[in-house]
Amino acid sequence: GENVEQHPSTLSVQEGDSAVIKCTYSDSASNYFPWYKQELGKRPQLIIDIRSNVGEKKDQRIAVTLNKTAKHFSLHITETQPEDSAVYFCAALFSGGSNYKLTFGKGTLLTVNP
Amino acid sequence: EAQVTQNPRYLITVTGKKLTVTCSQNMNHEYMSWYRQDPGLGLRQIYYSMNVEVTDKGDVPEGYKVSRKEKRNFPLILESPSPNQTSLYFCASSPRRVGEKLFFGSGTQLSVL
Repeated sequence: GENVEQHPSTLSVQEGDSAVIKCTYSDSASNYFPWYKQELGKRPQLIIDIRSNVGEKKDQRIAVTLNKTAKHFSLHITETQPEDSAVYFCAALFSGGSNYKLTFGKGTLLTVNP
Repeated sequence: EAQVTQNPRYLITVTGKKLTVTCSQNMNHEYMSWYRQDPGLGLRQIYYSMNVEVTDKGDVPEGYKVSRKEKRNFPLILESPSPNQTSLYFCASSPRRVGEKLFFGSGTQLSVL
């Protein structure tokens, strides 16, 4: 099955700095890669996603890049703010025949220090 | 308001006592799924459903059952709960049939003693 590795497991930055979280996936048949943000005690929420036919996608301070050849994708947050502090999860959607499985990474705890 | 509703929010039970966690969505989504979240392990998919009467196993289906008799509801059933099923459970639905752009419920914290 699909395996998604996420690094780092914890990340601490100063307010205003950039943060980068990286994920690698094992199955080249995966074609959709979302990122979810989970604040403490809350539900995960989708913040950005990318398909395998696109190399980069931006939404204000957030961007995701995808390298299909190397099978890795990254989340970039610029000008970090304290409200960006949360756990971030990457995921990969494997699709094969009638089988669709979404596999998550183990998460990155991002702390933005004021 | 568009939402995914899970009940109960918290549940404490004992080993072997059958329980059901309900999940309902009001967005007319075809896709629904269940995940468990454990510290250090992230979110792991238990079961998913791409349509009424269609369910498939995720990565950790052992010890769980689901049913999709109608589009809006997707209950998670633990026939004989064990302590290793103590976890935070999330239900989610998606406007896309294959599970993209998930909307999560508020979660159910289950403790099996």
